[in-house]
Amino acid sequence: GEQVEQLPSILRVQEGSSASINCTYENSASNYFPWYKQEPGENPKLIIDIRSNMERKQTQGLIVLLDKKAKRFSLHITDTQPGDSAMYFCAASLNTGANTGKLTFGHGTILRVHP
Amino acid sequence: EAAVTQSPRNKVAVTGGKVTLSCNQTNNHNNMYWYRQDTGHGLRLIHYSYGAGSTEKGDIPDGYKASRPSQENFSLILELATPSQTSVYFCASGGTGHERLFFGHGTKLSVL
Repeated sequence: GEQVEQLPSILRVQEGSSASINCTYENSASNYFPWYKQEPGENPKLIIDIRSNMERKQTQGLIVLLDKKAKRFSLHITDTQPGDSAMYFCAASLNTGANTGKLTFGHGTILRVHP
Repeated sequence: EAAVTQSPRNKVAVTGGKVTLSCNQTNNHNNMYWYRQDTGHGLRLIHYSYGAGSTEKGDIPDGYKASRPSQENFSLILELATPSQTSVYFCASGGTGHERLFFGHGTKLSVL
């Protein structure tokens, strides 16, 4: 199986600053690492993901880094805005053709962006 | 955006009663999943399915059964509900070879 640890559980930042969330995983064969954002009362939605053949991916103010040797990956939100306030989940999975999408999630990080 | 619909949205059940949570997806996805979300535990996988007629145990299957009668529908069944099963349950779907999951809006279950 897989275990994913996520820190911190709560993160408070000032608007305009950056926020970082870190995750570690146990199974060195895991090859897919998505990040989901969940706003209060809503369902989780994919915001960015990275595969094991990459070390860095960036899209719209989000950066994900993957260190396979350390079995660690992270999400960095640049120039945070109040709309970034939400719960964030990291996840890991081993995808082998038909066996896709069986994600193991971290416990989540509550991000609060203060004006 | 892929559509995953859960019913009911809220459910109050009595201890020892039977509860069925339903999920429907209209995206022709092969894979469907049931997760529960609890404070301090994140999202934990209960059961999943790779297609009609198939069900697989996830990480915390005890006390739950699943049924996939068709491509579109995936149910989670609590034969004898207990207060420890009070939680928010999310159904999700995803296509084979496409890792992105689309989640429903959740079912809040309270077992009294």
